[in-house]
Amino acid sequence: GAVVSQHPSRVICKSGTSVKIECRSLDFQATTMFWYRQFPKQSLMLMATSNEGSKATYEQGVEKDKFLINHASLTLSTLTVTSAHPEDSSFYICSARDSGKVFDYGYTFGSGTRLTVV
Amino acid sequence: TQLLEQSPQFLSIQEGENLTVYCNSSSVFSSLQWYRQEPGEGPVLLVTVVTGGEVKKLKRLTFQFGDARKDSSLHITAAQPGDTGLYLCAGGKGSGNTPLVFGKGTRLSVIA
Repeated sequence: GAVVSQHPSRVICKSGTSVKIECRSLDFQATTMFWYRQFPKQSLMLMATSNEGSKATYEQGVEKDKFLINHASLTLSTLTVTSAHPEDSSFYICSARDSGKVFDYGYTFGSGTRLTVV
Repeated sequence: TQLLEQSPQFLSIQEGENLTVYCNSSSVFSSLQWYRQEPGEGPVLLVTVVTGGEVKKLKRLTFQFGDARKDSSLHITAAQPGDTGLYLCAGGKGSGNTPLVFGKGTRLSVIA
């Protein structure tokens, strides 16, 4: 089955530094990937849609200059949290769907990244 | 605006009991997915339903998509402690690369 690899799984950084999170589709191509944020005991909140070779589309209230998204290839999207602050601490999850399967509606999720800003 | 209303939000039951989780919306979805998420992990797809009235079974889990494709339910028979987790319904609005709309989730705890 489709596999999405997300790294790192956990990261602790100092306030003011930047952190990059990678999301890779291992056995399929994904022209579009999605980045979510999840607070404890809550559901997933869509942050942005990452499009290969073009600019990401951000949801209302998400700062594009703070959460930089790069989708340079059909198998890799990165999310960089710039100048991180403690309030950015959260669980970040990416997801992707196989672009080559027209009638496969299922999305595969990465295992998530637990970011802690101290 | 929460497009998908999921209920109940929390559910604690004894092993062996049955339960149903509901996912409702005023919007029509092209597909409806159910995911299960363990703490510290990403959601794992359980099932996708795309046809109004569709019923799918996965061992003790039964999923149903409403005739109008606006609602769905997940029924678990004879729940086991291993069923404990966060269950999420998510609706798809298109056949292509559009983001899913998630419900708030149902946190299930099955006590032995």
